[in-house]
Amino acid sequence: KNEVEQSPQNLTAQEGEFITINCSYSVGISALHWLQQHPGGGIVSLFMLSSGKKKHGRLIATINIQEKHSSLHITASHPRDSAVYICAVRSAIQGAQKLVFGQGTRLTINP
Amino acid sequence: EPEVTQTPSHQVTQMGQEVILRCVPISNHLYFYWYRQILGQKVEFLVSFYNNEISEKSEIFDDQFSVERPDGSNFTLKIRSTKLEDSAMYFCASRQGLNYGYTFGSGTRLTVV
Repeated sequence: KNEVEQSPQNLTAQEGEFITINCSYSVGISALHWLQQHPGGGIVSLFMLSSGKKKHGRLIATINIQEKHSSLHITASHPRDSAVYICAVRSAIQGAQKLVFGQGTRLTINP
Repeated sequence: EPEVTQTPSHQVTQMGQEVILRCVPISNHLYFYWYRQILGQKVEFLVSFYNNEISEKSEIFDDQFSVERPDGSNFTLKIRSTKLEDSAMYFCASRQGLNYGYTFGSGTRLTVV
C-alpha cells in the first residue's frame, strides 16, 4: 500500500525563519508533487519532482529517490506563506494515474 | 494564466438526490481527474479520464459515480443518489501530459443534508 507521511503536521514560525517540511513515501514513484492549499480550499501546484532539486523564488524542493524522501524549504518566510502544504506521489507502476496525498502540514507564519 | 473552472462553488442537496459537478479543464490538456477531500481528511483520488474513457478509478468510485466529457470542453462528475458521507470538497484537475504538473480547480463544496 502506498503511504505518504508528512512531518510536522503543524508548524508555527516567526517571519523570516527558514522552514522545512518533510515527506516520506513507501513505494517506487514516477513523480512527487508539492502543493499548497489555502484556507478557502483551493489547491495550487508548486513543484513536480522526479529527481534532484527545484527552486522557485523562495521555495526549494528536494527529493532523494533512494531514501524515498522529499523536503520543501521556504527561505525568508512571510505571513502570506501561511497555508497547508501537501506532498503527493504518483506510483511508478505502469499505467498508474492517481496521486496519493499526504495529510498536509499546516504552516503559520507570524509577523 | 489558464485556469480550471469549477461550478458551482457550493452545492447543498438532499440525500438521495442526483448532483452534477461541472469542470472546464484547460483547453490543451489531455488528462482529467476528480479528487475529493472530506473535511479534515486527506485529499483522495476518485477517477482519471483520458482519451474519452476512464483510465483509473478508486474503490470510492462505485456505481453511484460517473464522469463524462460531453462536448470536448466540459468534464462532469455525477453522483446518482447522494449520501451524507458524500459531503466533501470535490476538486477537478487537468494536465497536458503525464510529465506535466497538475492544475486544480478551486473546488465545489458539496453538502448533503
